[in-house]
Amino acid sequence: EAEVAQSPRYKITEKSQAVAFWCDPISGHATLYWYRQILGQGPELLVQFQDESVVDDSQLPKDRFSAERLKGVDSTLKIQPAELGDSAMYLCASSPRGRAGTDTQYFGPGTRLTVL
Amino acid sequence: AQSVTQLDSHVSVSEGTPVLLRCNYSSSYSPSLFWYVQHPNKGLQLLLKYTSAATLVKGINGFEAEFKKSETSFHLTKPSAHMSDAAEYFCVVLNTGNQFYFGTGTSLTVIP
Repeated sequence: EAEVAQSPRYKITEKSQAVAFWCDPISGHATLYWYRQILGQGPELLVQFQDESVVDDSQLPKDRFSAERLKGVDSTLKIQPAELGDSAMYLCASSPRGRAGTDTQYFGPGTRLTVL
Repeated sequence: AQSVTQLDSHVSVSEGTPVLLRCNYSSSYSPSLFWYVQHPNKGLQLLLKYTSAATLVKGINGFEAEFKKSETSFHLTKPSAHMSDAAEYFCVVLNTGNQFYFGTGTSLTVIP
């Protein structure tokens, strides 16, 4: 069964350092999402791509976060510089470009970020 | 605008007893609705989804949910809880722009 791949699974970094996360969606899925999930809370959407285009990044802290999906396949999420409050699970999900309102998201295992 | 309310932040049941996790949604039309489960330090796994077909939806691991438009509810149930069901559960609504809205989650504890 096809899965969403994410790496690394765990990342520990010091504040002010740069970190990057990678996501490879299920083959053929046009929509890719990055979420941040703080411990004990639900996922919060950071950015949504349709193919290589950003369709929603309203909750992305653009002063330090960036995301790209250059060829419309895999994606990278970067934080520079990392802050203590960025410690969280970063989840990637993908969905096929189905009929509007009927898509299903499939999640990767996540990257657990700890900022010291 | 779409939103989801999970009515209980924590639910505790004994092993072998029924599970009920409550979810109410707000939408101006009949939305697509989902339940996801998340085990500690893992990603989210799809349990089941409703997309305007049968109102009673069966999912994996014995879970099911019933879409009730009159009550704007989509509660998740299971007849008999298993220890492995202990996890965080999220109710999710999807709008026509393919934007997903998550509830705040319900933590299920199963007591042996």
